Amino acid sequence: KQEVTQIPAALSVPEGENLVLNCSFTDSAIYNLQWFRQDPGKGLTSLLLIQSSQREQTSGRLNASLDKSSGRSTLYIAASQPGDSATYLCAVRDLNSNSGYALNFGKGTSLLVTP
Amino acid sequence: NAGVTQTPKFQVLKTGQSMTLQCAQDMNHEYMSWYRQDPGMGLRLIHYSVGAGITDQGEVPNGYNVSRSTTEDFPLRLLSAAPSQTSVYFCASGGFGGAFFGQGTRLTVV
Repeated sequence: KQEVTQIPAALSVPEGENLVLNCSFTDSAIYNLQWFRQDPGKGLTSLLLIQSSQREQTSGRLNASLDKSSGRSTLYIAASQPGDSATYLCAVRDLNSNSGYALNFGKGTSLLVTP
Repeated sequence: NAGVTQTPKFQVLKTGQSMTLQCAQDMNHEYMSWYRQDPGMGLRLIHYSVGAGITDQGEVPNGYNVSRSTTEDFPLRLLSAAPSQTSVYFCASGGFGGAFFGQGTRLTVV
């Protein structure tokens, strides 16, 4: 069974810092990997989707990389802002899954950016 | 473009009551799923569907039923609510652009 781990579980940084969130997965046979943001009491907002054939994706101040062979992905946030405070979730869609579009989620990294 | 819409947003049930959580998507995705999110447990798959008329069980299906009569709708039914079903429920649809989630239903069973 695919296991997805996110480190650290919580992170507090001052505004303006660049930061990296880590995600690791145990089975490298993946279809894609997706990063989400979740604000308290809200749903999941998709940030970046990386297909298995891709090495990275960028959107604004966010950059996500994928190293399938080592089972790792990182989410890089440049010049962090208080509005970036949220929980960030990593989710993997297995290549050989027979569960439709089922995702395997990590437990998330709770990010606090202080002014 | 509404994406994935869930209703209701909040619900309180008494033990033994039944209810249906509604989910609709307007992206014409074949794949739809239901998850529950609990503190310390992350998101876990309850049921999923790969198209109209086709559903199957996920990781934690007990106490829940689903059906998929149209591409757009994927309701989740709680047959006889139990306190262990207190959770936040998310519906998702998946396609080429990735997975998209609804805003969630916060359910409390007393």
